[in-house]
Amino acid sequence: AQKITQTQPGMFVQEKEAVTLDCTYDTSDPSYGLFWYKQPSSGEMIFLIYQGSYDQQNATEGRYSLNFQKARKSANLVISASQLGDSAMYFCAMRDSFYNQGGKLIFGQGTELSVKP
Amino acid sequence: KAGVTQTPRYLIKTRGQQVTLSCSPISGHRSVSWYQQTPGQGLQFLFEYFSETQRNKGNFPGRFSGRQFSNSRSEMNVSTLELGDSALYLCASRSDQGQTNEKLFFGSGTQLSVL
Repeated sequence: AQKITQTQPGMFVQEKEAVTLDCTYDTSDPSYGLFWYKQPSSGEMIFLIYQGSYDQQNATEGRYSLNFQKARKSANLVISASQLGDSAMYFCAMRDSFYNQGGKLIFGQGTELSVKP
Repeated sequence: KAGVTQTPRYLIKTRGQQVTLSCSPISGHRSVSWYQQTPGQGLQFLFEYFSETQRNKGNFPGRFSGRQFSNSRSEMNVSTLELGDSALYLCASRSDQGQTNEKLFFGSGTQLSVL
């Protein structure tokens, strides 16, 4: 069965430093997509970055980059130059098949990131 | 462009009652999905609607149901509420253009408390 694992329940990082949030996944389907979402205390889930299983390059979106290691089934999120506004819950999620082009994502348990001034 | 709008923001109900939550997707988006978020179970997929038809369903009892209207607005209903139904219910929409990298746009959720 498809599964997403985030092993870090909480993390601290100093403002302006980089931080890596871990995510491993399990799927038997060769075609899948991986997402990272941020959830501040307001509750809304905010899309950060996407990586497709066939993408050759690691995805980047501004200060966010995804360290995709397919053989290890890991998709770690790297946030460079952390800001106080980055304090939030971060979720890794997977769309388990390109044939499932629908709205079903499988989410990990999340990592709570706290940025210290 | 307005984002995904969910109403109400907060709701308090008692066991045995039923509740209806509403979701207005981003204009032009035809797909609406619903998720339940609890501290214990995390985020779990409830169902997805597209063109007024349920396209995908998660592993939830029949007390959880939904529908979608011709303007893509969606409602979900929970009947015979149980204490364990207390959760943040998130709605998400997407344009469904057939692209595999399509992201879901989420609303701020409805926080349901069952007493």
